Amino acid sequence: DVKVTQSSRYLVKRTGEKVFLECVQDMDHENMFWYRQDPGLGLRLIYFSYDVKMKEKGDIPEGYSVSREKKERFSLILESASTNQTSMYLCASSPSGQGDSPLHFGNGTRLTVT
Amino acid sequence: AQRVTQPEKLLSVFKGAPVELKCNYSYSGSPELFWYVQYSRQRLQLLLRHISRESIKGFTADLNKGETSFHLKKPFAQEEDSAMYYCALLPGGYQKVTFGIGTKLQVIP
Repeated sequence: DVKVTQSSRYLVKRTGEKVFLECVQDMDHENMFWYRQDPGLGLRLIYFSYDVKMKEKGDIPEGYSVSREKKERFSLILESASTNQTSMYLCASSPSGQGDSPLHFGNGTRLTVT
Repeated sequence: AQRVTQPEKLLSVFKGAPVELKCNYSYSGSPELFWYVQYSRQRLQLLLRHISRESIKGFTADLNKGETSFHLKKPFAQEEDSAMYYCALLPGGYQKVTFGIGTKLQVIP
């Protein structure tokens, strides 16, 4: 069974801090994604990656960056955290080459920026 | 660009009543459609996909290309169906999934 692990379940940071959210998957999936989940807005894609060292912007990349140095790990970076980045962050992975392959999600990291 | 619309943020039904969670999409090509579910305190997970034409936990969904809809249905709601449901679209040949805003299903005992 695919396991996607997000390093922190809850995180509290101060405005202006640099924040790292880590995600690791154990199924050798090529694709990895970062979403934020907000009530009334659903899931919005921040960044995704098709391969190591490859990244593409999603729908709301502003204020975020990502890093994928190894296939199993995809990090989301908030360069200077702001209160409007308080949210639930979901990491997901999927294999490539399979048109209908579903996303496998982590448990999420609830980030509060004060 | 693709779009997924779930018109209801909250749907309340009584136990044993039929359930229909609505999903409409806009996309010029042939997409793959999914329903994901998130139970309380659990991770978001796949419920079903249109290509499989399967019934999961009594739920079914039929892709209607004419109406660009992919509504989720269950004939008799159970209390354990209470959860957040998201409709999602995957464009053909691409891996960027677009989600709707979600519908919270509340089954009243």
